[in-house]
Amino acid sequence: DAGVTQSPTHLIKTRGQQVTLRCSPKSGHDTVSWYQQALGQGPQFIFQYYEEEERQRGNFPDRFSGHQFPNYSSELNVNALLLGDSALYLCASSQTGGVDQPQHFGDGTRLSIL
Amino acid sequence: AQTVTQSQPEMSVQEAETVTLSCTYDTSESNYYLFWYKQPPSRQMILVIRQEAYKQQNATENRFSVNFQKAAKSFSLKISDSQLGDTAMYFCAFMKGGSSNTGKLIFGQGTTLQVKP
Repeated sequence: DAGVTQSPTHLIKTRGQQVTLRCSPKSGHDTVSWYQQALGQGPQFIFQYYEEEERQRGNFPDRFSGHQFPNYSSELNVNALLLGDSALYLCASSQTGGVDQPQHFGDGTRLSIL
Repeated sequence: AQTVTQSQPEMSVQEAETVTLSCTYDTSESNYYLFWYKQPPSRQMILVIRQEAYKQQNATENRFSVNFQKAAKSFSLKISDSQLGDTAMYFCAFMKGGSSNTGKLIFGQGTTLQVKP
């Protein structure tokens, strides 16, 4: 049973560019959350998708946007990249109703901005 | 707003000994959940243990147990019989419960634990 898979594993971009990160949830999961983890810090919640809609959003600018597809996979898009966007981006999936079905995390995408 | 604080950036313990990681949180919610996650150098975040705020009994998972002090808003993790494979960064996390629950986790800054042979 495949867990949460993220691609790519590592990405290098320059300031001002745009990037798309991808996440496939664990089988049977329908909710996807995205987190940003700066080096040496705890993850920060970006947003969550359920039924192809953004259900909740953290304190991130509109440069961060997302999408969820009918097969529950998700994308995170970041426009006009800044040096401060360098981080590990984690995707977590869960079943509807969340807490009794713990969130499963992927290995993350390491984004480096030059 | 909820906050989670881990005041120990780094800790070390000898193999087979016991170590306790500290976590405090702040919330006005009465229904919530607390978690400890482990993130090894391989990066994948793994759930270690979970505590429901409405339960007075402290959660236990094999060598891992918590000391949940609701009034003090404290949630520490005890690792018994430490093993080399316990070396990782540990995160304390909070989630609202009940009708407010949307699955959003609020993490602390993390504690890096090194288990020494």
